[in-house]
Amino acid sequence: GEDVEQSLFLSVREGDSSVINCTYTDSSSTYLYWYKQEPGAGLQLLTYIFSNMDMKQDQRLTVLLNKKDKHLSLRIADTQTGDSAIYFCAASGNTPLVFGKGTRLSVIA
Amino acid sequence: NAGVTQTPKFRILKIGQSMTLQCTQDMNHNYMYWYRQDPGMGLKLIYYSVGAGITDKGEVPNGYNVSRSTTEDFPLRLELAAPSQTSVYFCASSLQSLNTEAFFGQGTRLTVV
Repeated sequence: GEDVEQSLFLSVREGDSSVINCTYTDSSSTYLYWYKQEPGAGLQLLTYIFSNMDMKQDQRLTVLLNKKDKHLSLRIADTQTGDSAIYFCAASGNTPLVFGKGTRLSVIA
Repeated sequence: NAGVTQTPKFRILKIGQSMTLQCTQDMNHNYMYWYRQDPGMGLKLIYYSVGAGITDKGEVPNGYNVSRSTTEDFPLRLELAAPSQTSVYFCASSLQSLNTEAFFGQGTRLTVV
């Protein structure tokens, strides 16, 4: 089945760019998602990308997909303290979403 | 729309007790899911449902049961609570298929002592 891996921690300075990386194993994954979880809250969809796309931009967020390497990244431009949270990568072929362990982003003022 | 609503938000159970975690959604989504989240472990799928009357096991179903008698509700039952079931439980739903965007509830934090 699908397996999703991502690094556990990332620390950046306010105003810098953050890049969170993710790899997945199932080449048939159709949709790939980035979710954000703030403390004590549920998961909120940030953005997603279809498997036939290489890049998607949405305001400060840029998603890059390398389908050959099964690598997904989320870039947050001009990172703010309000971006501090856990970010989950999720992927699926034709099964319920499989989530990575989450990357905890800490933004230093 | 309220989206996905979970109750209770917090609960402490003693070992061997039972309880039902409630989940309801008002978006008319066919697909519903239960995940558990343990620190540093991401989310693991417990059970899911593709429609009323149909449920299926996920990655970690042992110790849990579910039912789906209506489109709106998908309760999760713990029959004999164990410390290993201490976790945060999330219910989610999606509209079109298993691999489309899932909408999450706020979670139930369960502690078994």
